[in-house]
Amino acid sequence: QSALTQPRSVSGSPGQSVTISCTGTTSDVGAYDYVSWYQQHPGKAPKLMIYDVSKRPSGVPDRFSGSKSGNTASLTISGLQGDDEADYYCCSYAGSLRAVFGGGTKLTVL
Amino acid sequence: EVQLVESGGGLVQPGGSLRLSCAVSGFTFSSYSMNWVRQAPGEGLEWISYTSGSGSLIYYADSVKGRFTISRDNAKNSLYLQMNSLRDEDTAVYYCARGSYHTLDYWGQGTLVTVSS
Repeated sequence: QSALTQPRSVSGSPGQSVTISCTGTTSDVGAYDYVSWYQQHPGKAPKLMIYDVSKRPSGVPDRFSGSKSGNTASLTISGLQGDDEADYYCCSYAGSLRAVFGGGTKLTVL
Repeated sequence: EVQLVESGGGLVQPGGSLRLSCAVSGFTFSSYSMNWVRQAPGEGLEWISYTSGSGSLIYYADSVKGRFTISRDNAKNSLYLQMNSLRDEDTAVYYCARGSYHTLDYWGQGTLVTVSS
């Protein structure tokens, strides 16, 4: 199972919005509404930010939103803040009770 | 408070074995599926194994199938990963994570496994 494709890096200024894409195939992202997004600060464990494409766990700010179109899922962060600077990973169900992650995107807040 | 604490990592030679543990607290362990996810140094996340709450359903990524074994002891609130025939490319931080394979809502802090001669 190949990893999902994410841009290596994105950047934005405080207060702006950024979108991170996650491209898969008709066997994973395109087939199921089971896409999740994780935030990882350096040296820390990943944190769930979005699940089931667009749902937010309790405690995650509504500045974080998710969507999907065809084989591509997206994470949008609005009103960028300094603490949003981190690595972001998408994850999708890939059938046969397996999951596949994206390669990760480094978000830089300028 | 939900807590997951991994242990058992360390330095091991290629071809060797290691057993990781994940002690959990703050929730009814037997009611939740659990997973192992790893992250090689400077690399991304890789899901490697899943077990249902009862332990009756178990799945592995192709990269570890036949070498790694996931198990759980619900009486001890603990998850395990037995790793055999270790290779250089198994060097990574290993995380235990609660949830289904595609929605992991709580993670431990990870334990580092280094495979090197």
